[in-house]
Amino acid sequence: QSVLTQPPSVSGAPGQRVTISCTGSSSNIGAGYDVHWYQQLPGTAPKLLIYGNTNRPSGVPGRFSGSKSGTSASLAITGLQAEDEADYYCQSYDNSLSGSVFGGGTKVTVL
Amino acid sequence: EVQLVESGGGLVQPGGSLRLSCAASGFTFSNYWMHWVRQAPGKGLVWVSRIYSDGTGTKYADSVKGRFTISRDNAKNTLYLQMNSLRAEDTAVYYCARESQYSNSHDHWGQGTLVTVSS
Repeated sequence: QSVLTQPPSVSGAPGQRVTISCTGSSSNIGAGYDVHWYQQLPGTAPKLLIYGNTNRPSGVPGRFSGSKSGTSASLAITGLQAEDEADYYCQSYDNSLSGSVFGGGTKVTVL
Repeated sequence: EVQLVESGGGLVQPGGSLRLSCAASGFTFSNYWMHWVRQAPGKGLVWVSRIYSDGTGTKYADSVKGRFTISRDNAKNTLYLQMNSLRAEDTAVYYCARESQYSNSHDHWGQGTLVTVSS
């Protein structure tokens, strides 16, 4: 059981908008720690997609966006493309565990 | 270009030991905190351990505390994970990851090395 909770799967047609939620608690997201998002394509290492709740590293398309409110965060993908089919993970810091914590991952399927 | 290359994985019997290495290049290794993150087959990412840039501070997930030791050699630009008393549930791909200097995100990852604990 992961410290951060994500839906196991979401799906959408090409061009649609999908969102992935990430719910934490008062010892991680709710304590003010930033949320970061990673994309993991099949058979590859994770790649940083969003850092500091809302920021995109250089090279990440603008159709990916992040937000945070209270004890939760969200990743949105607008204009869904076939190449976006992957697993997505949220991550934050937890002060009771004194380490990084991840969500269980969400598989995005493009219909 | 930042590169992280893990090695040392393989098949080991329960109760055995293994040492993983992560060779870093393309950045000033001694300036960054480093982490190990693992992923069991078909499962999600799980943080394992972290070490400060100068090697003076370490943290571990409860599941590996007392069995795993993280260390680094800044002169060799290499991160290590010594794994003792291995269990079947330690079977996973182990990734080394760099922590960003601007957030606690993991901004670069290695390709991973597979550790299989089985008799």
